[in-house]
Amino acid sequence: QQQVKQSPQSLIVQKGGISIINCAYENTAFDYFPWYQQFPGKGPALLIAIRPDVSEKKEGRFTISFNKSAKQFSLHIMDSQPGDSATYFCAASVGGRRALTFGSGTRLQVQP
Amino acid sequence: EAGVAQSPRYKIIEKRQSVAFWCNPISGHATLYWYQQILGQGPKLLIQFQNNGVVDDSQLPKDRFSAERLKGVDSTLKIQPAKLEDSAVYLCASSQGLAGKPYEQYFGPGTRLTVT
Repeated sequence: QQQVKQSPQSLIVQKGGISIINCAYENTAFDYFPWYQQFPGKGPALLIAIRPDVSEKKEGRFTISFNKSAKQFSLHIMDSQPGDSATYFCAASVGGRRALTFGSGTRLQVQP
Repeated sequence: EAGVAQSPRYKIIEKRQSVAFWCNPISGHATLYWYQQILGQGPKLLIQFQNNGVVDDSQLPKDRFSAERLKGVDSTLKIQPAKLEDSAVYLCASSQGLAGKPYEQYFGPGTRLTVT
């Protein structure tokens, strides 16, 4: 019940295209859903996060869509750039101070 | 503001040897986490500290792993004895945990451990 399932495992997008990564969860107690970006040899970096009281959050080219009834959330990267090529992880936690449960990651490659 | 610092960045040891990792969180962050990230997987929590007390160590293999956070600042994670399956990146993260933005966790660069 603590799992967060992420898809796809890998994604290739052309420059300027839209990258979409999906996650699904089972634990209805989760109340914080961040996305992290990780480059090789680096630690994960917080990209954007959402709480379940809103259905969408946008920051620049990055948008989280959240569907509470379906227990799903997704990351949309608009106008994808080669510099966006990295591994993306969705995550979830219960309460503000609890540890994160991560998805398995999506390796994004944006072709120039 | 300085980020989360970790050392060493890389470590290669033989199985059954011991190893220790060090983490210095962002100044003022009350909550500290150690995660294990196996190649191709998402990070998995090992232990969570709030100040110098343990909040969650349910996934820490206590027969071989230990961690401490003396004085509520720096933390060390130790493995003794190491097994081949311990080969992974060990990530330290911190969050304010109290006031401010308690949800946001900031990660260090990690320590890549190879057990041969």
